[in-house]
Amino acid sequence: AQTVTQSQPEMSVQEAETVTLSCTYDTSESDYYLFWYKQPPSRQMILVIRQEAYKQQNATENRFSVNFQKAAKSFSLKISDSQLGDAAMYFCAHIWGAQKLVFGQGTRLTINP
Amino acid sequence: DSGVTQTPKHLITATGQRVTLRCSPRSGDLSVYWYQQSLDQGLQFLIQYYNGEERAKGNILERFSAQQFPDLHSELNLSSLELGDSALYFCASSPSSGRAETQYFGPGTRLLVL
Repeated sequence: AQTVTQSQPEMSVQEAETVTLSCTYDTSESDYYLFWYKQPPSRQMILVIRQEAYKQQNATENRFSVNFQKAAKSFSLKISDSQLGDAAMYFCAHIWGAQKLVFGQGTRLTINP
Repeated sequence: DSGVTQTPKHLITATGQRVTLRCSPRSGDLSVYWYQQSLDQGLQFLIQYYNGEERAKGNILERFSAQQFPDLHSELNLSSLELGDSALYFCASSPSSGRAETQYFGPGTRLLVL
């Protein structure tokens, strides 16, 4: 079965500091895609970043970057210069089969001013 | 704003009833996906439609059904509702159908079954 595990139910960080959210996944496929989605209190699911497994280079989007370790099946999200607006639930997701997104249980991130 | 719209935003109903959730995908997107987010099950894939046809099925109950219309909007029908069906239901869309597609989510419909 394709699974995604986020081992940190909650994380907190001081404003302007850096935080890393962990994610591991299990797949038997060689070509796949990984995503981080953010869910703020509004409950909207917002795409943060995406990584193609065939690309060696880690994806970056402004203050957000990933550390993709394919052999270890690890896909962590680093948020630099944390801002109050980054407070949210963060979900790691893996696309399985052709279309189905499989999500982890989420990590609640708190930003301390 | 992802460009995906969902109505209604909130729905309160009683056990045994039937409701319909509606989704309009982003302009140009042919695929629509439905997900359920509940406290005990997390985010789960229900079903996908591509250009009017069912393409993939997940953990969707027999009491639930969906369809995609010629104008590409989709409806999720939930019948014989139970307390456990209370959840946030998301619709997502993507341009085509395939693992390379990024799915963009709508704001969700919050269903409360009393």
